[in-house]
Amino acid sequence: AQTVTQSQPEMSVQEAETVTLSCTYDTSESDYYLFWYKQPPSRQMILVIRQEAYKQQNATENRFSVNFQKAAKSFSLKISDSQLGDAAMYFCAYRSALNAGNMLTFGGGTRLMVKP
Amino acid sequence: DVKVTQSSRYLVKRTGEKVFLECVQDMDHENMFWYRQDPGLGLRLIYFSYDVKMKEKGDIPEGYSVSREKKERFSLILESASTNQTSMYLCASSMGGPYNEQFFGPGTRLTVL
Repeated sequence: AQTVTQSQPEMSVQEAETVTLSCTYDTSESDYYLFWYKQPPSRQMILVIRQEAYKQQNATENRFSVNFQKAAKSFSLKISDSQLGDAAMYFCAYRSALNAGNMLTFGGGTRLMVKP
Repeated sequence: DVKVTQSSRYLVKRTGEKVFLECVQDMDHENMFWYRQDPGLGLRLIYFSYDVKMKEKGDIPEGYSVSREKKERFSLILESASTNQTSMYLCASSMGGPYNEQFFGPGTRLTVL
């Protein structure tokens, strides 16, 4: 079974600065998908960014980018120019390409605080 | 926009009660999911459904059952609620295909006394 580990329960960043959230995963599969989801306080979880394992190029979505290291099984999220609205729980998730049910395996989450 | 709604934001029940949590999505998604969210443990999959009347167990199905009689509605049932089922419950839906994102509901915070 796959496992996803987020080693930083809490992180803080100064507004306008850059922060990197860590995620590692354990799998024996070669084809899979990785996701970062954001859960703002009292609001619904939304997708931030996703990466296909067979693509070497790191995904980017505006101020959000990932550093995908397949050999190291690492998938970190970088948030540039942090804003107050970035404060949230962030979850890393894994999905097997063989998984017909599209099930996600989530990490334990990282709470990001943004200081004004 | 995809909308996933859950019947209650907060729910308080007594031990031994039967509890129904309802989830409705409006985008004709094939897949629907029920997760449980606990601090430090992230989200853990309870059950999912890939079609009407079809269901599969997730990682922690014990003490739960589900029902999907219509495509847009997925219900989570606690047959006899226990205090260790106090948690946040999240419903999600998605189209088929592994790259498609899951869309989440606002969650139901269930307290079992």
